[in-house]
Amino acid sequence: NAGVTQTPKFRVLKTGQSMTLLCAQDMNHEYMYWYRQDPGMGLRLIHYSVGEGTTAKGEVPDGYNVSRLKKQNFLLGLESAAPSQTSVYFCASSPNYRATEAFFGQGTRLTVV
Amino acid sequence: AQKVTQAQTEISVVEKEDVTLDCVYETRDTTYYLFWYKQPPSGELVFLIRRNSFDEQNEISGRYSWNFQKSTSSFNFTITASQVVDSAVYFCALSETSYDKVIFGPGTSLSVIP
Repeated sequence: NAGVTQTPKFRVLKTGQSMTLLCAQDMNHEYMYWYRQDPGMGLRLIHYSVGEGTTAKGEVPDGYNVSRLKKQNFLLGLESAAPSQTSVYFCASSPNYRATEAFFGQGTRLTVV
Repeated sequence: AQKVTQAQTEISVVEKEDVTLDCVYETRDTTYYLFWYKQPPSGELVFLIRRNSFDEQNEISGRYSWNFQKSTSSFNFTITASQVVDSAVYFCALSETSYDKVIFGPGTSLSVIP
């Protein structure tokens, strides 16, 4: 009963380094999203996907790229990490974007030094 | 434009007290969905409830109840006889049919003191 799994759970990066966060869901959901959570700001949508091969920008897309080559996976990339990208990142999925609840991964705590 | 306001940043209550978490939203749509999520100290996000804009009936689930009022654009959450396990950050969220985005409020951190 895995649900939504994020890899890794923790990471420390140096400024300018790149990395990819992996999100995998086993519920056959069409929609997947990446959020970042910062103190006092709730969750802000970075990018999302409405199906395999599609991606779209959310509220705070700058500095991030995403890919959805397979329905079950949604990758979030940071090409050149900056301290402002220190945050907790959550991946989520849902069968229907608007009307149903999202299922969240356990989060990835990223620190950029 | 979409907006979700949770004016209470932090709330502390003594165990067994009742507590209400406020959520006020803004939307131009007539069809929309509202959600509440709980984030306990362990960090995961747990879905609590979904409400669509055409269903204004209040809902009760055990010690939890929700009061949806379209007239005031509010979707408040009440915990009756609070327990220490209710300590968490609670998020209200809004989904409109016009936009492919779900907007979360900033969250309310609830501490229940034994």
